[in-house]
Amino acid sequence: DIVVTQSPLSLPVTPGEPASISCRSSQSLLHSNGYNFLDWYLQKPGQPPQLLIYLGSTRASGVPDRFSGSGSGTDFTLEISRVEAEDVGVYYCLQALQHPWAFGQGTRVDIK
Amino acid sequence: EVQLVESGGDLVQPGGSLRLSCAASGFTFSSSWMGWVRQAPGKGLEWVANINQDGTEKHHMESLKGRFTISRDNARNTLYLQMNSLRGEDTGLYYCARHGYNNFDSWGRGTLVTVSS
Repeated sequence: DIVVTQSPLSLPVTPGEPASISCRSSQSLLHSNGYNFLDWYLQKPGQPPQLLIYLGSTRASGVPDRFSGSGSGTDFTLEISRVEAEDVGVYYCLQALQHPWAFGQGTRVDIK
Repeated sequence: EVQLVESGGDLVQPGGSLRLSCAASGFTFSSSWMGWVRQAPGKGLEWVANINQDGTEKHHMESLKGRFTISRDNARNTLYLQMNSLRGEDTGLYYCARHGYNNFDSWGRGTLVTVSS
């Protein structure tokens, strides 16, 4: 089974500053079609998760362009160019290349 | 607008059974893969199961096989999760989610399952 590991698990941020979260997979998530099957989700307090990034780097509909995803194979990064107060919550990566799908442990982002 | 509304969560004793339902609207249900994700209190997300459009392909978390079964009724636009032999560690919020392109692009608000004597 593929295991995904996030770091850090906690990330205090300053509004207006950049932030970065890493997700590493135990196996390559690169499909033969050339896409990486790695997604990023944000779960704001008291809400269900929402899709931010899919296929490693494609922003979901309505997601602000301050969010970007990068990486390939086993190493991926979610970056927020300038953190806003509304970005607080827990961020998860998800490997969707093969079953069983697996979420990372989550990274809690809060304001310093 | 895509809407997913879960129901069926309850307080149940260890060893008991529950069937969760997810009523879908706002999209062509029969054309979408669907899935269940759960979240124990204060913990992270855990993928539970996926099912294809016509219900002929199902995938479950390995440790749940034999106890949990995903199914669907396309005539009723409803997704199900049958949960048997429930244990305390099954306690949590269960989310229904629609697949996009190998992702979960829409989520319900969840239904709470509590397993306790």
